[in-house]
Amino acid sequence: GESVGLHLPTLSVQEGDNSIINCAYSNSASDYFIWYKQESGKGPQFIIDIRSNMDKRQGQRVTVLLNKTVKHLSLQIAATQPGDSAVYFCAESLDTGRRALTFGSGTRLQVQP
Amino acid sequence: DAGVIQSPRHEVTEMGQEVTLRCKPISGHNSLFWYRQTMMRGLELLIYFNNNVPIDDSGMPEDRFSAKMPNASFSTLKIQPSEPRDSAVYFCASSLLTGAFFGQGTRLTVV
Repeated sequence: GESVGLHLPTLSVQEGDNSIINCAYSNSASDYFIWYKQESGKGPQFIIDIRSNMDKRQGQRVTVLLNKTVKHLSLQIAATQPGDSAVYFCAESLDTGRRALTFGSGTRLQVQP
Repeated sequence: DAGVIQSPRHEVTEMGQEVTLRCKPISGHNSLFWYRQTMMRGLELLIYFNNNVPIDDSGMPEDRFSAKMPNASFSTLKIQPSEPRDSAVYFCASSLLTGAFFGQGTRLTVV
């Protein structure tokens, strides 16, 4: 029979709108966080990272916000484009690159033209 | 840099056969990770190495799985014997001071 997989939450936005993808992380001791983008058939692609001594970091069209009090991370994408359609994962770690990342279950972003 | 290189991209094998997945990390990176991705369980860490030394292999499912890193530019993940439940996409990733960079993965199908 057909196996039941993870049910990914889906965010559907119109092209040109801003997108906000949220993530609740699990370990209050985590001090490093990353957002990854995964397109179908490809490996996760590093988008932006943030360390726990910061609460905001901006990249090109993307901004990551960190709220350590409630263990919440968000990714904001400005002027969303069809090429942004993918699954987005947040990941947390205890020590930048030297320890392994723990991944969230992901959010699917669908951009409507 | 070509990024993390994995081979093969696709592997179909019969149950009971040995499977070897290969990874070449980004030059200069000193941490290497093996992850497995399935619909049921998402992305799971299997094992990771720092400076070629295995640090945490608690994610390796059972003794049928083994991983080696003989030098800084090469790692293997071996499954012997393979079983249908091992079917998944296996990713290798490497890092230095920031987050890990992933390869394109090996899609393994065990029939």
